[in-house]
Amino acid sequence: QSALTQEASVSGTVGQKVTLSCTGNSNNIGTYAVGWYQQISRGAPKTVMFGNSLPSGIPDRFSASKSGTTASLTISGLQPEDEADYYCSTWDDSVSARVFGGGTKLTVL
Amino acid sequence: EVQLVESGGGLIQSGGSLRLSCAASGFSVSDHYMNWVRQAPGKGLEWVSVIYPGGSTYYQDSVRGRFTISRDKSKTTLQMNSLRVEDTAVYYCARGVSSSSYYHIFDYWGQGVLVSVSS
Repeated sequence: QSALTQEASVSGTVGQKVTLSCTGNSNNIGTYAVGWYQQISRGAPKTVMFGNSLPSGIPDRFSASKSGTTASLTISGLQPEDEADYYCSTWDDSVSARVFGGGTKLTVL
Repeated sequence: EVQLVESGGGLIQSGGSLRLSCAASGFSVSDHYMNWVRQAPGKGLEWVSVIYPGGSTYYQDSVRGRFTISRDKSKTTLQMNSLRVEDTAVYYCARGVSSSSYYHIFDYWGQGVLVSVSS
C-alpha cells in the first residue's frame, strides 16, 4: 500500500495534453514539494520535475502543479517517447521517510 | 557531468550479506543527500536509505538494523546483512536535489544493480 495514490494507467494520443495525479495528505504532499520520475521499459528512472522546476534537458512540454494534497504532472503535446511509467515522491512526516506513489503507466495511442 | 554507477549486486542465499557501491563523478557526495532506492520485480519504486551531508543516516523500517549506509570521498555504500527473499530488487543510487526545499527529491539516478536473494 503506497503512501501516495496514482492512477494505475492513463492513455492519450500524440499531441494531446494529459495530466497524471498524485494524491496524499497533510503529512506529505500537503506540506512538501513533489518530485516526478519517468521510467521507460523498467530502465533507470529519470527525474522530469522537482517541485515546479524542470531539470536540464527535460522538454518544456512537462509541467507540474500542486493543489492542497494533490500534485499533478501535465504533459502538453504528448509524444511517442513519453510512453513510460511515472512515479511521484515526497517526504512523509508520519513515517519520517521519503515515499513514492505506486506509479502510473502512460500509454501513447 | 554527474554520473552514478552502482556495483556489487548478485545472487545470494537468504541470511547472507552483500555490499553495494555507488561511484559518483561530477560532484562531491559529501555535499549531497545520497539515497538508495529499490524496485522489486514487477513492483514500484521504494526508498531504502539516505545519508545526509552532515553524516546522519536514515532507513526504511523493513531494513533498519540490517542495512548500513556510508560514504567516503566519491562513493556511497550500502552494506546489506541478514538478507531476505523480499529484499530481491534492482537497487538504484539516487542523489537528492541540492536545495533546502527539494532535498527529499531525487535529481540523478544510477543505472541500478540487481540483488537476488534465494531461499
